[in-house]
Amino acid sequence: DTAVSQTPKYLVTQMGNDKSIKCEQNLGHDTMYWYKQDSKKFLKIMFSYNNKELIINETVPNRFSPKSPDKAHLNLHINSLELGDSAVYFCASSPGLGFYEQYFGPGTRLTVT
Amino acid sequence: QKEVEQNSGPLSVPEGAIASLNCTYSDRGSQSFFWYRQYSGKSPELIMSIYSNGDKEDGRFTAQLNKASQYVSLLIRDSQPSDSATYLCAVNRARSGGYNKLIFGAGTRLAVHP
Repeated sequence: DTAVSQTPKYLVTQMGNDKSIKCEQNLGHDTMYWYKQDSKKFLKIMFSYNNKELIINETVPNRFSPKSPDKAHLNLHINSLELGDSAVYFCASSPGLGFYEQYFGPGTRLTVT
Repeated sequence: QKEVEQNSGPLSVPEGAIASLNCTYSDRGSQSFFWYRQYSGKSPELIMSIYSNGDKEDGRFTAQLNKASQYVSLLIRDSQPSDSATYLCAVNRARSGGYNKLIFGAGTRLAVHP
């Protein structure tokens, strides 16, 4: 059983397109996150949701819009894709908002050409 | 100053040796500390968490925390070639409103050679 899953695993698209990435966790956790890992491997948080409520919204362009239909799912929609959006996007979850460990999904490698 | 700093490496150790990975952090209010292992092309995998000063051992791994010095380390005993990966230090920092944020270091690349 995969604890945190993401689809798709790879995404290749052209500049200007709109794309979505989906994430699901079956750990029963309340909190989910989106991270971006760039080419230098630096992992940085983008968004955090707790029980469907947006908690953390880092300095991310408005072209990125997360949505959490329920606490087990967190999606990321990206409008008007740019070359600089090319990265690996990881979904993660944790039991709650406290100082808990986070568990990561397998990642979605996005390539914008 | 970066919030979480790690030496990027590569740290090269022979098989069977002890690998020592270090991490410093800037926010004294940090409460919890984690080590993740990331193989090339894979996602970060949690290997250790530590919340109080001192040592915490789990198999071949020992995490050490010194809050006064704002320093956390990971020791890997009897290093194996399969331990070759990038090790990410992560620090949970409290934010206003009671919410927390996990801040990652840039990672240390470990290479264990036979």
